[in-house]
Amino acid sequence: EVHLVDSGGGLVQPGGSLRLSCSGSGFTFSDYAMHWVRQAPGKGLEYVSSISSIGGSTYYADSVKGRFTISRDNSKNTLYLQMSSLRVEDTAVYYCVKDSSDYIRFLSDYWGQGTLVTVSS
Amino acid sequence: EIVMTQSPASLSVSPGERATLSCRASQSVSSNLVWYQQKPGQAPRLLIYGASTTGRFSGSGSGTEFTLTISSLQSEDFAVYYCQQYNTWPPTFGQGTKVEIK
Repeated sequence: EVHLVDSGGGLVQPGGSLRLSCSGSGFTFSDYAMHWVRQAPGKGLEYVSSISSIGGSTYYADSVKGRFTISRDNSKNTLYLQMSSLRVEDTAVYYCVKDSSDYIRFLSDYWGQGTLVTVSS
Repeated sequence: EIVMTQSPASLSVSPGERATLSCRASQSVSSNLVWYQQKPGQAPRLLIYGASTTGRFSGSGSGTEFTLTISSLQSEDFAVYYCQQYNTWPPTFGQGTKVEIK
């Protein structure tokens, strides 16, 4: 059974940094592209960042480009999102999401439980 | 960016009734559309993609007009449903349709 466990969320001040992690199990982690998708409180869904199976290709939403960095360690079955220069509008639940393909297809078939990031002074 | 518009924003349906949800794209996304279901306090769950059927959930459409049909609503189907296109970068979601108990 596919399992994605997100962690690393918390309260951070504007301008601060945070690193999210996602541990995957129940599938061959290195065979699939992965994403971070966020959902602001009471709002809809937004793809934030994506990475191909071996990390050769990445994608960033315009709203986070230059501030967030996605990476993965396939030897540890772990996905990361380094977030810096955080803004109040980055407040959201961040979901780790598995793609159905090794390339960034954006057809996502499994989601983690989410980790809440709150940016506030 | 392709804008996905879902209608209605909310829908009140009695258990056992049929529900029809719509999703419209601002330009063609071919058949590259997926539907997700999200229950309160839970992560979204992949429901269906393309024109296919899973149990009582059926997806149809191509180009710019898509429909999700729930043939006979069960208590566990009351949730928010999102469509998402994956034809063109960036991928975009609709704003969601909330299906409520009547």
